[in-house]
Amino acid sequence: DQQVKQNSPSLSVQEGRISILNCDYTNSMFDYFLWYKKYPAEGPTFLISISSIKDKNEDGRFTVFLNKSAKHLSLHIVPSQPGDSAVYFCAASFNNNDMRFGAGTRLTVKP
Amino acid sequence: DSGVTQTPKHLITATGQRVTLRCSPRSGDLSVYWYQQSLDQGLQFLIQYYNGEERAKGNILERFSAQQFPDLHSELNLSSLELGDSALYFCASSAPGTLNNEQFFGPGTRLTVL
Repeated sequence: DQQVKQNSPSLSVQEGRISILNCDYTNSMFDYFLWYKKYPAEGPTFLISISSIKDKNEDGRFTVFLNKSAKHLSLHIVPSQPGDSAVYFCAASFNNNDMRFGAGTRLTVKP
Repeated sequence: DSGVTQTPKHLITATGQRVTLRCSPRSGDLSVYWYQQSLDQGLQFLIQYYNGEERAKGNILERFSAQQFPDLHSELNLSSLELGDSALYFCASSAPGTLNNEQFFGPGTRLTVL
């Protein structure tokens, strides 16, 4: 039951350029969407979130866009830095209950 | 450091055995979540407890069970282990009333079933 999908297992970008990570979901009841970042040998850490009543949320170099009609969200990182290299998980929740995660996208930022 | 602790860090056992994974949430957090991450898989939600009560259930097998104790720590019990149960098991906690449902993850327990 893959309610949250990240179709790109990996992404490689040059330092200073934009990284765009994509996520699709199927359950229209989701009302909160989050991005988590995971380094090897560590647990995921929260990066940025967006409520379903918004279409954009920005925090420094990170911006999340939500397109409810397309059931699609994306994370933009500008400019990308080598320290951003990690696995990024998209997640969605409904009514502050169980969260569903995507399979993750491994981002590599090359110096 | 997220404030969530998990023990043990690594666990190696044989098929058919039973193991217990332990999680201590951040101070003040009432919710505890368990996730499984298999090789090349995303995080699969297993189960959530809130202040000692089961709150939500995900893709948790009948061979697995969990509980949250009065001191709010939680244990995940895995029995009749199979090779396919080898995975990283994460625990997460969240504070009551968090609007964005941000969860804080522990470092995980790596389970290897031989």
